[in-house]
Order: sequence, then structure tokens, then C-alpha cells
Amino acid sequence: LAKTTQPISMDSYEGQEVNITCSHNNIATNDYITWYQQFPSQGPRFIIQGYKTKVTNEVASLFIPADRKSSTLSLPRVSLSDTAVYYCLPGGFCGNEKLTFGTGTRLTIIP
Amino acid sequence: ETGVTQSPTHLIKTRGQQVTLRCSSQSGHNTVSWYQQALGQGPQFIFQYYREEENGRGNFPPRFSGLQFPNYSSELNVNALELDDSALYLCASSSTRVGDTQYFGPGTRLTVL
Repeated sequence: LAKTTQPISMDSYEGQEVNITCSHNNIATNDYITWYQQFPSQGPRFIIQGYKTKVTNEVASLFIPADRKSSTLSLPRVSLSDTAVYYCLPGGFCGNEKLTFGTGTRLTIIP
Repeated sequence: ETGVTQSPTHLIKTRGQQVTLRCSSQSGHNTVSWYQQALGQGPQFIFQYYREEENGRGNFPPRFSGLQFPNYSSELNVNALELDDSALYLCASSSTRVGDTQYFGPGTRLTVL
């Protein structure tokens, strides 16, 4: 299983763009990269998923370099409601994958 | 929001007791996965059920067991509770389709005294 490394915590001010980088040096060829968001006492929520280059949806962008050994989640113009823990997971391309979560990045948005 | 529900919301038990947690999956999903999340940690995979059969298990002892029913709802049973079993227990439902993701319920907070 690919091991991931993310910053333990990050702080940002409201309205700024936040980038969270995750390293996954031994990602498998057929692994996608999936990011989840989790609020306290709630289940994780899917944010975005990609394989390479750039993916964008209504809430975030995901940048994956050609070697796929890292990925960066970009949250544009964050608000207080973006305060949460963010997890990066290799895999997750099929619905029945056994997800392997690390400790995630605790993002705190400051007013 | 996800359509996955869990019960109860909170539960307090004492060491040595047994507990059953329940999960109703989202409509159209035939797979349920269970995760344990200790405080300050990421969720850890316990096991998965697909069409009423266990379909993979994480590093958890046999006193953690489960069931899936014909309507794809599921139960997690834990026997001989230990203090370290105190955690948030999450279930996630999904299909097996490529490109699909897992949808998590709100969890059951179990406290073992």
C-alpha cells in the first residue's frame, strides 16, 4: 500500500487560496488519488479525485505532476466552513476499495 | 446528506460487554465498509461486506464481526469490549463500479468505560 505524507496542520485566512500537498512516493500504476474532507464527529466526504495533470470541480482543484509521486489539493477563496481535516488517499477508483487513511491535514481558517 | 444512516449516534458500554452498531446504505449500493476512527487519527478499515459476504478485512481481531442483510444494510458487532475500542465507528456504502466513491455515514461514537 502506498504510504502518504501530509502536513499535520495548516492555518489560513479567509478569502485566501489554500494548497495542501501530499506525497505518495510508491503509488501504484493503477491508483488514482482521492481527497476527502472530514468535519468533527462526521464521516469523511469525497472532495475530488484524479489520475494525472489537473482536475477541477465546483469546490477544489487537484494538481498531479507527471511522476505522480505527489499531489496538491487547492481550495480557492477559503471560508470558515472549510475548517476541517483533509485526507489524501491513493486508490479509491472503484467503489469497493478498502480505503487507507493517514492522519490527514488539519486546516484551520482564521477570520 | 449522503443517504447513509447509522444508529445509535452515541453509546456507552463497559469493558467486557458486547455492542451492535447498525448502518443503512444508500439506495443502489451493494457494498458496505466499516471503519474505526480513534481520536486524532484517520479512519482504519475494519472489514467490507458485498452481497452479504465478507469481502476483505483489516487488522482487527475476530471479536469484531459483521453482517450484511439482503437489503444491503449492515451490522458491526464487537464482543468483549476493551477500553481501546472507544472510537467513532463509520460505515460507508458504495457500488463496485469503476469511478464510484464511498459515501460515509455520520458515525456512531462508542465509549467504553
